[in-house]
Amino acid sequence: DAGVIQSPRHEVTEMGQEVTLRCKPISGHDYLFWYRQTMMRGLELLIYFNNNVPIDDSGMPEDRFSAKMPNASFSTLKIQPSEPRDSAVYFCASSFGRLINTEAFFGQGTRLTVV
Amino acid sequence: DQQVKQNSPSLSVQEGRISILNCDYTNSMFDYFLWYKKYPAEGPTFLISISSIKDKNEDGRFTVFLNKSAKHLSLHIVPSQPGDSAVYFCAASARKSGNTGKLIFGQGTTLQVKP
Repeated sequence: DAGVIQSPRHEVTEMGQEVTLRCKPISGHDYLFWYRQTMMRGLELLIYFNNNVPIDDSGMPEDRFSAKMPNASFSTLKIQPSEPRDSAVYFCASSFGRLINTEAFFGQGTRLTVV
Repeated sequence: DQQVKQNSPSLSVQEGRISILNCDYTNSMFDYFLWYKKYPAEGPTFLISISSIKDKNEDGRFTVFLNKSAKHLSLHIVPSQPGDSAVYFCAASARKSGNTGKLIFGQGTTLQVKP
């Protein structure tokens, strides 16, 4: 398996524009997570899905953020409208939750810069 | 509310010596703990984990210690090597409470191992 695949690797956009980040989890994994890396809070959990259903979106900072998982092999994180303070590295991760002691596997991340 | 805290943003050690990275948590429901390592421009990768039924887990040069009464865990790297230089994240989850997949991360500690 190629691992968790995120696209794009880098995104530079202007304030006010819509940004869509994409993720393909590892095949067979039933959990998918979106994290944001910041200096202050480290890896901050934004939202996670189980079997394509959003379970906990309490980490989503504002209504400008939304995430979807239309099928088991694809998820998006959308920011509309984007603001400079959204600039960060966004990570997608997936795991096989039925195994009690298992780790999450991360993608390489999308570095978002909003100017 | 930061449920998982890594109070040392950085640590510098000499090659061959021991590196000790610390992590504190507040949620008594956490029963599974993990350490991840992250190199620049890459996603975090799993390093080692420990279940709350144990107080120590060892894997080669890496040992994780868990002190449940103090809600504290630590990662020991012996001997430290320059290739260990990275950001280390502590993570925790509450598996038995039903949130089998949700991982909460700390802020990270940047380890520098000097040759």
